[in-house]
Amino acid sequence: DQQVKQNSPSLSVQEGRISILNCDYTNSMFDYFLWYKKYPAEGPTFLISISSIKDKNEDGRFTVFLNKSAKHLSLHIVPSQPGDSAVYFCAASDGSNYQLIWGAGTKLIIKP
Amino acid sequence: DAEITQSPRHKITETGRQVTLACHQTWNHNNMFWYRQDLGHGLRLIHYSYGVHDTNKGEVSDGYSVSRSNTEDLPLTLESAASSQTSVYFCASSGGTSGRAGNTGELFFGEGSRLTVL
Repeated sequence: DQQVKQNSPSLSVQEGRISILNCDYTNSMFDYFLWYKKYPAEGPTFLISISSIKDKNEDGRFTVFLNKSAKHLSLHIVPSQPGDSAVYFCAASDGSNYQLIWGAGTKLIIKP
Repeated sequence: DAEITQSPRHKITETGRQVTLACHQTWNHNNMFWYRQDLGHGLRLIHYSYGVHDTNKGEVSDGYSVSRSNTEDLPLTLESAASSQTSVYFCASSGGTSGRAGNTGELFFGEGSRLTVL
């Protein structure tokens, strides 16, 4: 049973528009959430994170929103740029030991 | 610049053979991890280590082993490779204390090792 779900395997967005990537989780003990970005033939790189005590965290063009009651988080990229084309992974941690639970990823394609 | 490197980047082997994937980091991080990535599953944790001589099993540890004899290296060994172990393997490290991946939750990943077991 997947505890972290990214239900959209892929997403296509026009350059300059907003990209919204979604992630749902089932474990209410998760208290820390992270987004990673992955280009082909490279390892994932950390993008942005959010603690469960917050509902929003912003870093430049990237904003993560957390809705604890819905067990849902989303990553907003505004404006979307061609270099944002990559696979985005959502991950969660409950802090009891070190295990990040990962979603399956969403492939974001930015169209010119 | 500090980095984390994996070798080999690509490996083809036969069922039953022993395979070792190397991971070397120069961040001087205490925490090191091995993940496998398969389509539809995201990243799944195989083994992890919080420091020298410490190793722990992750979600999918069966058929894999690790050892941590120094801070820089965490080799992953497949004792008897199986076709189900065909995957892309990622090593990662972090400098966080108490196992948590640092205050920012940041893991630093290698570029991956693609293993094919025939």
